[in-house]
Amino acid sequence: QVQVVQSGAEVKKPGASVKVSCRVSGHSLTEVSMHWVRLAPGKGFEWMGGFDPDEGETVYAQKFQGRVTVTEDTYTGTAYMEMSSLRSEDTAVYYCATFRSLLSGVRFDPWGQGTLVTVSS
Amino acid sequence: EIVLTQSPATLSLSPGERAFLSCRASQSVTSSYLAWYQHKPGQAPRLLIYAASNRATGIPERFSGSGSGSDFILTISRLEPEDVAVYFCQHYDASMGTFGQGTKVEIK
Repeated sequence: QVQVVQSGAEVKKPGASVKVSCRVSGHSLTEVSMHWVRLAPGKGFEWMGGFDPDEGETVYAQKFQGRVTVTEDTYTGTAYMEMSSLRSEDTAVYYCATFRSLLSGVRFDPWGQGTLVTVSS
Repeated sequence: EIVLTQSPATLSLSPGERAFLSCRASQSVTSSYLAWYQHKPGQAPRLLIYAASNRATGIPERFSGSGSGSDFILTISRLEPEDVAVYFCQHYDASMGTFGQGTKVEIK
């Protein structure tokens, strides 16, 4: 059974970068992949991107293209999401979610507990 | 880009009542790519339903999903106090994911 544990809360200044990690256990990152989703105050969930095994590449929402980089270290079983040029609107809880693309359907299960990123001067 | 619109925004019902939550896609989607989640404050979102109508492991039978094309429904057959949460639908296909804005379920 996959378990996902994320790194702790971060406080960053506008213009800085942040790197959030997601440790996966129970399955290798060669068997599952991680996607990233954020939830900003007063907003709905927003898909950011992740490795799509059907495409064989990391894909991103257009909004985050060029500012977000998702990587995976299969040796340590850790996925990372790095966002640059932070602004106050990026204040949100960032989740990693286990992407499953199976014959039975596509879904995210399970999710990490979330990492609060606060961008403030 | 597919847009998912959920309604109502808030649903207030008494324990034991049936809840119907709607998720409408801006265009027809493949049912296999439509899922429902439950989110409680401070917790990780939890998968309830995948492929529109398949209950995830460990999910109580009172949760069910239905629909096809562009209209999908999450039904909670008998609302219990622990069902207070935000429920959202999600679609992923062609390397793009999208979420509905959520329906908040409250107990009267």
